[in-house]
Amino acid sequence: AQKVTQAQTEISVVEKEDVTLDCVYETRDTTYYLFWYKQPPSGELVFLIRRNSFDEQNEISGRYSWNFQKSTSSFNFTITASQVVDSAVYFCALTALIQGAQKLVFGQGTRLTINP
Amino acid sequence: EAGVVQSPRYKIIEKKQPVAFWCNPISGHNTLYWYLQNLGQGPELLIRYENEEAVDDSQLPKDRFSAERLKGVDSTLKIQPAELGDSAVYLCASSSGLAGRNEQFFGPGTRLTVL
Repeated sequence: AQKVTQAQTEISVVEKEDVTLDCVYETRDTTYYLFWYKQPPSGELVFLIRRNSFDEQNEISGRYSWNFQKSTSSFNFTITASQVVDSAVYFCALTALIQGAQKLVFGQGTRLTINP
Repeated sequence: EAGVVQSPRYKIIEKKQPVAFWCNPISGHNTLYWYLQNLGQGPELLIRYENEEAVDDSQLPKDRFSAERLKGVDSTLKIQPAELGDSAVYLCASSSGLAGRNEQFFGPGTRLTVL
């Protein structure tokens, strides 16, 4: 099966705390891409990062960092020193070849609430 | 650069009525996607266009849903007749290059309520 699991449905933390959003994926493809998107209350999904299956280097962008581990099929996302503006639903996604076509398969999302 | 534009943002109709959604992708993006997002779920692909050709419509319920992208730019998604279960957010996205590799840019969506 080609699927993405985000086990954390909702997370609530106080501002300035660090928070990690988990993402576990299943795929039979040897080449694939993983993504994280942010969906604020406005509804528009905002692209955060893309990682291909051959690049296991962790990435840091400001307060955001991503940890990709093929051994555990995980692609976790950490926000350091969280801010109220980080409140949103976050989706992890995987490209998958399904019925002969490339599709983007999303997890169910994690609703993150940062309290002041 | 303008992002993906969708209209209307909200639509309320009664069941059995027709409804149409419009999407204008980012200029130069040859690939256009329509997704369905139910409450508390991730988006699910309905149809993907490469220019004006629908290359993946395997998950589009063709008995009541139709889509077109006549000139390879903007696109319309139609439901006729709408059912109660069609209440959801309909998202449009676009990308350049190979599907699956490049990031998709999403519009704000149309929230459909069927009464």
